[in-house]
Amino acid sequence: EPEVTQTPSHQVTQMGQEVILRCVPISNHLYFYWYRQILGQKVEFLVSFYNNEISEKSEIFDDQFSVERPDGSNFTLKIRSTKLEDSAMYFCASTGAANEKLFFGSGTQLSVL
Amino acid sequence: GENVGLHLPTLSVQEGDNSIINCAYSNSASDYFIWYKQESGKGPQFIIDIRSNMDKRQGQRVTVLLNKTVKHLSLQIAATQPGDSAVYFCAEMYSGGGADGLTFGKGTHLIIQP
Repeated sequence: EPEVTQTPSHQVTQMGQEVILRCVPISNHLYFYWYRQILGQKVEFLVSFYNNEISEKSEIFDDQFSVERPDGSNFTLKIRSTKLEDSAMYFCASTGAANEKLFFGSGTQLSVL
Repeated sequence: GENVGLHLPTLSVQEGDNSIINCAYSNSASDYFIWYKQESGKGPQFIIDIRSNMDKRQGQRVTVLLNKTVKHLSLQIAATQPGDSAVYFCAEMYSGGGADGLTFGKGTHLIIQP
C-alpha cells in the first residue's frame, strides 16, 4: 500500500541551527501538508502546498519556516533558525484531491537543545 | 474561536467490549469529518470518514455517527482488541474553506484492559 515516508525519524539540533525535514508524499498525490504535534497535544496545521506554491499557512508558520518541492517526489520543510519551542513531532501528509482524507507519514521527532 | 474538542481524554474498556469515543465540533460550516488513530511514535492513521450529508457510516468493526443538530461526532469500536489501544482524534474540514486541510481535536486515549 502506498505510504508517505519521512526522514529522518529523529533530529536533534542546537538552538539557532537550520534543519530540513524531508517527506516523500504518495506518488500520485497533488496536495501536500505539514503538521506538527507538541508532546501530548493535538495535531496542528502548519502549511498546505499545491501546484508548487503555498495554499494556506497557519500563524505558526512564520518567516523562519519554508517549504519546497525540489523535484517530483520530495517535499521539504525548512526551519531556518530553530528555537526551543520548535521541538515537536512534525508530520507530512498528502492527498490526491482537495477535501479528501489526508494520509500521514510517521513523523520526524525534532528536538531543539 | 472555532474548535474541535473531545469530551473524555482517557477511556478504559475491557477487551471484547464495545467502546464509544465522542467529539464535539463547533464550526457549523464543517462538512467532512474523519477519525484518526495514532499509536505511540506514529503518524495519524485513517480509520473512517463521514460527510455531512450522512448521519452514519460503518466500516469494519467501526461506526461513525454524526449529529449535525448538536454538532457531535462519535466513533464506535465493536469488540475491542488490544491493538485498538491508541489515541483517537476527530478532525473536521470545511470543504469551502480553502486548502488548510483538517482541524484536529485534542484526542482521546483509549486503553484496552485484558
